[in-house]
Order: sequence, then structure tokens, then C-alpha cells
Amino acid sequence: AQRVTQPEKLLSVFKGAPVELKCNYSYSGSPELFWYVQYSRQRLQLLLRHISRESIKGFTADLNKGETSFHLKKPFAQEEDSAMYYCALPANNAGNMLTFGGGTRLMVKP
Amino acid sequence: DAGVTQSPTHLIKTRGQQVTLRCSPKSGHDTVSWYQQALGQGPQFIFQYYEEEERQRGNFPDRFSGHQFPNYSSELNVNALLLGDSALYLCASSPTGRKTEAFFGQGTRLTVV
Repeated sequence: AQRVTQPEKLLSVFKGAPVELKCNYSYSGSPELFWYVQYSRQRLQLLLRHISRESIKGFTADLNKGETSFHLKKPFAQEEDSAMYYCALPANNAGNMLTFGGGTRLMVKP
Repeated sequence: DAGVTQSPTHLIKTRGQQVTLRCSPKSGHDTVSWYQQALGQGPQFIFQYYEEEERQRGNFPDRFSGHQFPNYSSELNVNALLLGDSALYLCASSPTGRKTEAFFGQGTRLTVV
């Protein structure tokens, strides 16, 4: 079964430090992976998807099929990056339901 | 565009009761999915509605049912509430052909006592 694992519940860094939020997955086939973010008192929203290979708010994520990972990275963390981050992938081949990881809370200290 | 709207925002119910949660999708979206998010966990897929029919279902009992109306809005019904049903219920809408492009509502916080 498709599964997403985010091994860290909490990641705390200082402003300006690099950030890497880990995501590992199990999936049969070629997955489409996503990162969602939830800022305090805001709704869950799409941050980026691997197929677009874009950088959003300075964040990037590379799909590593060999290691089955999709880690989210940012070279210099900002205080406004503090939020809950969820990695997700389609739970079936129809691609119409998402499986989420347990989430990582990122705290960026001043 | 108000985006995905859910009502009510908070709800307290007693064990054994029934509850109905409502969702209006983002303008132009015709697919609605429901997720349950327990405290400290990621969202879990309940089911998805498209063209007024349930198209996909996650690992949830039949106590969880839903409906989609011709205007694409949707309801989630939970019967015989258990304490374990206490969670944040999220509605997400998607446009035709891009069903993993999910836009989420603010959620309904359900507390079962």
C-alpha cells in the first residue's frame, strides 16, 4: 500500500539556517508527490509538486526514486516559514485521493 | 472567490448522535473530497464525490456517508458518533481532470463527548 513517512514531528532551526524536511514514501509505479503547508490559523495549502520542478518561497524538493524520498529544502530559513508541513502522494492509480504523512512542525527561531 | 467554505466551524456532539457537515467547493471545481485529521496526525481520506456519486472511498466504516448536490456542494454525515470521531474534518475541492490539485477548506472541528 502507498505510504508516506515523515520521521520528524518537530524541526527547530534558527533564522538563516538551512532547512531539510524529510519525506520517504512507498509506492508502486511512478509517484506524483506534493508538499502541503499549513500556517498558523490558515488552511492547508499546496506548496509545491515535484512534476512542476518549481521553487516556491525559496523551497525546493527533488524526487529521489532510488532512496524513495522527496525531501523539502530551503537554504536560509525565515521566521515566516514556521508552519506544519505535510508530504503527500496519490493513494491509488486513479490519482484522485491523497495519502498524507504525519506532518513536521517547523519552528524558525529568531 | 471565497475558496472552499465549510460549516459549521466548530461542533460538539454526544456519543451516539448523528452529525452533518457541509462544504461548498471553490468556484469552477466539480470534485469534492473529505478528509479526517485527528490531533497530531496528517489528513486521512474519507471519500470523494464527483457528478453526485461517491467515486472513491478510504478505510472508513459505513457510519460515514456523504452526498453531493447538483451545485457541487457536499455533505458529510456521520452516524452513531464515537469518541474517536473527534477530529478536524477537511473538505477539499478539485477541478475536472486535476483531482490531486486539492484546495482545502478551513475545516470543521468536531468534538464528541
